[in-house]
Amino acid sequence: NAGVTQTPKFRVLKTGQSMTLLCAQDMNHEYMYWYRQDPGMGLRLIHYSVGEGTTAKGEVPDGYNVSRLKKQNFLLGLESAAPSQTSVYFCASSYPNSVGVGELFFGEGSRLTVL
Amino acid sequence: RKEVEQDPGPFNVPEGATVAFNCTYSNSASQSFFWYRQDCRKEPKLLMSVYSSGNEDGRFTAQLNRASQYISLLIRDSKLSDSATYLCVVRTGGFKTIFGAGTRLFVKA
Repeated sequence: NAGVTQTPKFRVLKTGQSMTLLCAQDMNHEYMYWYRQDPGMGLRLIHYSVGEGTTAKGEVPDGYNVSRLKKQNFLLGLESAAPSQTSVYFCASSYPNSVGVGELFFGEGSRLTVL
Repeated sequence: RKEVEQDPGPFNVPEGATVAFNCTYSNSASQSFFWYRQDCRKEPKLLMSVYSSGNEDGRFTAQLNRASQYISLLIRDSKLSDSATYLCVVRTGGFKTIFGAGTRLFVKA
C-alpha cells in the first residue's frame, strides 16, 4: 500500500521559475493538505482541501496555488519561485472522524531549493 | 509567543533511561492533542493521541493538563530506536492544526 506519494522528491529552481508538486493518495481520504517545514519551526499549513474540487487557504498561502481535480490528487504550484520558498514540503491526507479530523498521513516530503 | 512551544533539546540520554518532554499551548479552546514522531529527513508519523485522562502505549505515556495548558510525553526504558524528533500537535477546531517545532532525542548506547 503506497499511502501518500509525492513527486518530485528533490528540485532546484531559479528565482522566478515555476513548478508543480504532485501529491497522490490511495487511501480514499477526503481531506488533503500541503505543509512546509523550515528549521526551528513547526510544520505550517499552506493550503488544504476537504474534497474533490474544493480548496482553502491555510496559514501561509501567499505565493502558492493548489488544485484538486481528482479526489486522490492534490497539486501545489509555485508560479514564480522565490528564495523564501526554499523548504521541505509535505503533503498529508486524513479522514473525518467523530471529532472532526483523523490522523494525518504524510508523504515522504519534497525538498525544494530556490536559488 | 508561539501557539505551541516545545523545548528544542537535544536531549541526550543513555539506553534504558526515562525521559520526559513537555509542550505548552496558548489557545485554551484547543480540542485535540497528539504526539508525532519524525525521524531524520523523514515524514512525521502519529505516535499517540493525548486524552484528558492520560494514556499509555507500551513504554510511552502521554498526559494532558488543560488547566495549565501543557502536554507531556514520557518514554521509559529508552531504546536506540527512539532517537528522533518528537512533535507536539494541537488542534483547535476545524482544520487548524498547530505543530510545535519539535524536541530532538538522542539515545546512546
